[in-house]
Amino acid sequence: GAVVSQHPSRVICKSGTSVKIECRSLDFQATTMFWYRQFPKQSLMLMATSNEGSKATYEQGVEKDKFLINHASLTLSTLTVTSAHPEDSSFYICSVPEGDEKLFFGSGTQLSVL
Amino acid sequence: AQSVSQHNHHVILSEAASLELGCNYSYGGTVNLFWYVQYPGQHLQLLLKYFSGDPLVKGIKGFEAEFIKSKFSFNLRKPSVQWSDTAEYFCAVRGGGADGLTFGKGTHLIIQP
Repeated sequence: GAVVSQHPSRVICKSGTSVKIECRSLDFQATTMFWYRQFPKQSLMLMATSNEGSKATYEQGVEKDKFLINHASLTLSTLTVTSAHPEDSSFYICSVPEGDEKLFFGSGTQLSVL
Repeated sequence: AQSVSQHNHHVILSEAASLELGCNYSYGGTVNLFWYVQYPGQHLQLLLKYFSGDPLVKGIKGFEAEFIKSKFSFNLRKPSVQWSDTAEYFCAVRGGGADGLTFGKGTHLIIQP
């Protein structure tokens, strides 16, 4: 069965609204989770590293105030796209490392902002 | 729905051996194909990708992959591996349009000196 649950799988929203995406580790506790984004015809890009109990680490060029990450517990990290605009339309996927060797992926979220 | 199958979960090789990691996918339409690598303690890095054109794709660090449409495969190869290639390798597929990215379960590669 799935090790990582990501919800929702698809979301369509109006411009200016906020969208929350959840990533849950089902089988183990995770102090770190990764959030990625993929635009059409491009490869996956790391947005940020979510750290349980502390601030997320954002990659260069990713707006912290726009993409709010909260890692409130050892099994849940959320990514909130605030005041979404059409250019934020993308595929977002989380991954959860187990130790240094295994990495499990969520099923991804396709965000479409109208 | 698309799916990705990586046949080998664990592979152990000696340095200088040749490598081939299998990846098969199921999807009826146009696909974008990727191989990613995760070194111990690090996040994912892109090794190579295929969108269209020459089915033999060359990536970083001497890796290449061949897209064989008739076999729904995108196997990763490297003629001579190094100890530093020890990592987890993921094949990923994205269908055309707005379909999401689907990852295989990964292959843990260990290179012995």
